[in-house]
Amino acid sequence: QVQLQESGPGLVRPSETLSLTCTVSGGSFSNWIHYWNWIRQLPGKGLEWIGHVDYRGGTSYNPSLRSRVSLSLDTAQNQFFLNLMSVTAADTAVYYCARNESGTYDFWGQGTLVTVSS
Amino acid sequence: DIVMTQTPLSLSVTPGQPASISCKSSQSLLQSDGKTYLLWFLQRPGQSPQLLMFESSKRFSGVPDRFSGSGSGTDFTLTISQVATEDFGTYFCMQTRELPPTFGQGTKLEVK
Repeated sequence: QVQLQESGPGLVRPSETLSLTCTVSGGSFSNWIHYWNWIRQLPGKGLEWIGHVDYRGGTSYNPSLRSRVSLSLDTAQNQFFLNLMSVTAADTAVYYCARNESGTYDFWGQGTLVTVSS
Repeated sequence: DIVMTQTPLSLSVTPGQPASISCKSSQSLLQSDGKTYLLWFLQRPGQSPQLLMFESSKRFSGVPDRFSGSGSGTDFTLTISQVATEDFGTYFCMQTRELPPTFGQGTKLEVK
């Protein structure tokens, strides 16, 4: 059974960079059919796809966040990463990592709440 | 971006009764490979979304057969034949036909 687990600080200061790690266990991380995603759930505003990274490090980002977001991965550690720069209170959300296999988002982490506040 | 619109936004159902949720997309979700890229999720309070259906009508592993999905093109429906107590929560549809993937607003299924 594939498991994903988010980790990182729960509080980030405005204008700083939000950095999260997703650790994947129980499955192959370096499979070309998988895309590794970050998705966030804004309070009262539903779910928003942030972007994905493939096993070679190729990325795609939501145009709404493209100027501030960077994704990367470490296949040796079975981890992928989110960096979101210049955060504001509007970036306060629960952040999820999830696997996409052939268009199916089949496994998700439990989510981590990140609050942007001074 | 493809806009996903769910109705209703809330639904009160007595356990054992059926329930149905609609999801409409602003563009067809049929891909050139012949597949329709529409997913359904259930999110219980305090939990992450869990996949119920993929390709509009295929149940994910372990999902009870009281759940069924139908629809094509731009109009989709999730039906629960007899709602069980563990089915209460918020349901989301999601399109993965094109980037960026987008979600419906969610439908909260509550106990009547």
